[in-house]
Amino acid sequence: AQKVTQAQTEISVVEKEDVTLDCVYETRDTTYYLFWYKQPPSGELVFLIRRNSFDEQNEISGRYSWNFQKSTSSFNFTITASQVVDSAVYFCALSEARGGANNLFFGTGTRLTVIP
Amino acid sequence: DGGITQSPKYLFRKEGQNVTLSCEQNLNHDAMYWYRQDPGQGLRLIYYSQIVNDFQKGDIAEGYSVSREKKESFPLTVTSAQKNPTAFYLCASTVGGGSQPQHFGDGTRLSIL
Repeated sequence: AQKVTQAQTEISVVEKEDVTLDCVYETRDTTYYLFWYKQPPSGELVFLIRRNSFDEQNEISGRYSWNFQKSTSSFNFTITASQVVDSAVYFCALSEARGGANNLFFGTGTRLTVIP
Repeated sequence: DGGITQSPKYLFRKEGQNVTLSCEQNLNHDAMYWYRQDPGQGLRLIYYSQIVNDFQKGDIAEGYSVSREKKESFPLTVTSAQKNPTAFYLCASTVGGGSQPQHFGDGTRLSIL
């Protein structure tokens, strides 16, 4: 069965601190996709990144970086030099490749508050 | 601009009433989805549709119904059988296939009067 665990329910940091959001997943498939989404107070989910199971290369995009480790089934997200605008709920999600459907299994989210 | 439009933003339901949430997309996406979000529970899949005139139940379909008569539209009806409808509802779409990210609307917040 598929499962995504985000053990950190809420995190508070002071502006300019670095913060890492943890994501651990479970799947029996060898081909799968991992995603991170941001949900600001306005409510819509904003896509941040997609990673497929064959690509363990870490990725950096500005202040954001992602560390994918298949050996520990983790896909962690780090924000460097956090800013108040980073305050949001962040979701990690898993999609499996079978069946043509793109059903996402979401974690319960981590609420990040950046204090000015 | 291309995107997903959900309406209304806020909706109130009386006891025994059915209400319909609208979702329209102009992204030419084949697949559309409805999720329910409750505090502390993340998003759960209600229904999804991969093509016009076809849809499948998700994890929590009881008390909900959908239709997909047009590619652009995927309305969700919350029926009176749904005893706990208070939640935030999000509609999404994608071109299809497990590798593509889903694009989300702004959501509808449904409350009981």
